[in-house]
Amino acid sequence: AQSVTQLDSHVSVSEGTPVLLRCNYSSSYSPSLFWYVQHPNKGLQLLLKYTSAATLVKGINGFEAEFKKSETSFHLTKPSAHMSDAAEYFCVVSDEIQGAQKLVFGQGTRLTINP
Amino acid sequence: KAGVTQTPRYLIKTRGQQVTLSCSPISGHRSVSWYQQTPGQGLQFLFEYFSETQRNKGNFPGRFSGRQFSNSRSEMNVSTLELGDSALYLCASSWTSGRASEQFFGPGTRLTVL
Repeated sequence: AQSVTQLDSHVSVSEGTPVLLRCNYSSSYSPSLFWYVQHPNKGLQLLLKYTSAATLVKGINGFEAEFKKSETSFHLTKPSAHMSDAAEYFCVVSDEIQGAQKLVFGQGTRLTINP
Repeated sequence: KAGVTQTPRYLIKTRGQQVTLSCSPISGHRSVSWYQQTPGQGLQFLFEYFSETQRNKGNFPGRFSGRQFSNSRSEMNVSTLELGDSALYLCASSWTSGRASEQFFGPGTRLTVL
């Protein structure tokens, strides 16, 4: 079974400094990986996805993630944090059972931005 | 293009009652998945429908059921509600159902069971 582990439940950074949200995955085959963001009282929005193309994936709002097979990691980064980035972030691996997709979510990382 | 819509947005029920939640996918999307989000268990997969067929089911009791109509709209039903069913229920739609499919989420239905 596929799984993801988000290494930090809470990350706090100052506005304008880099953001790093860590995610390790476990997969028996080449995984499809996603990062989603959830703002308070909102649904989930896709930031970016990796599906075995380029290992460095660029997403929306200046976020990017690098797939590292040797480290089984898919960390999310952003060079400069903005106040609007404060939200919950989920690392997700896609599993497929009999042709049907099932998303497996990490426990989430709450990102706080300090002014 | 309109996004995924879910109705109602908020719902309050009492133990033992049943509830039906509705999800309208993005136009043209044929796959609809449901997820439950709670502070303790996080986001958990409930089930997935594609062309009116349930193709995948998570580890939830039989009180949780769903269906999909020919226009791809989906409903989820929970019978004999328990306090632990209080959660945010999220619906997601996608064009196909493969492993690399991108799922688009609705805003969710917040269910409170008293």
